[in-house]
Amino acid sequence: EDQVTQSPEALRLQEGESSSLNCSYTVSGLRGLFWYRQDPGKGPEFLFTLYSAGEEKEKERLKATLTKKESFLHITAPKPEDSATYLCAVHANFGNEKLTFGTGTRLTIIP
Amino acid sequence: DAGVIQSPRHEVTEMGQEVTLRCKPISGHDYLFWYRQTMMRGLELLIYFNNNVPIDDSGMPEDRFSAKMPNASFSTLKIQPSEPRDSAVYFCASRGGPLVYTFGSGTRLTVV
Repeated sequence: EDQVTQSPEALRLQEGESSSLNCSYTVSGLRGLFWYRQDPGKGPEFLFTLYSAGEEKEKERLKATLTKKESFLHITAPKPEDSATYLCAVHANFGNEKLTFGTGTRLTIIP
Repeated sequence: DAGVIQSPRHEVTEMGQEVTLRCKPISGHDYLFWYRQTMMRGLELLIYFNNNVPIDDSGMPEDRFSAKMPNASFSTLKIQPSEPRDSAVYFCASRGGPLVYTFGSGTRLTVV
């Protein structure tokens, strides 16, 4: 069964203090690993898809990396508007179209 | 594009009542997914459709839950009878291109 574990559950950072969020996964065969951002009262908002180990993607202050066992979401010099819950999900090999999600990391950036 | 549209945004109902949640996917998307989100379990897939046909309903918790997709632009998730443990946020998502999923804003269901 596909499994996704995210850590830490919650993270509080000062504005400008860089850090990383972790997503460990177990899947029979990876088609894609996804990062989403979720604000309170809203649906998940797509950030990145990574397809193979060694791949990296960047968007503003965020960079996502992927290995064969885990993914990291690096946040550089965060701002208060980066406060949100960050969700990781995996899509296993062909045969089923579902995404399996982790329970997320709740990130708070303090001004 | 208005995105994935869900209604209602909030629903409060009494235990035993029937609840119907609605979803309009993005035009042209051929996959539709229903997810449930709780604090304890996070986002869990309930059921998904491809070209209006249910493909995998293994996540539907009980026979009290049912989902339909009568056409490409509309889907419903029905709970009958509802129970307090069904309280959660229910999300609909649609997918068009390869591995591009778009979520709606969700329906927050409270069963008292």
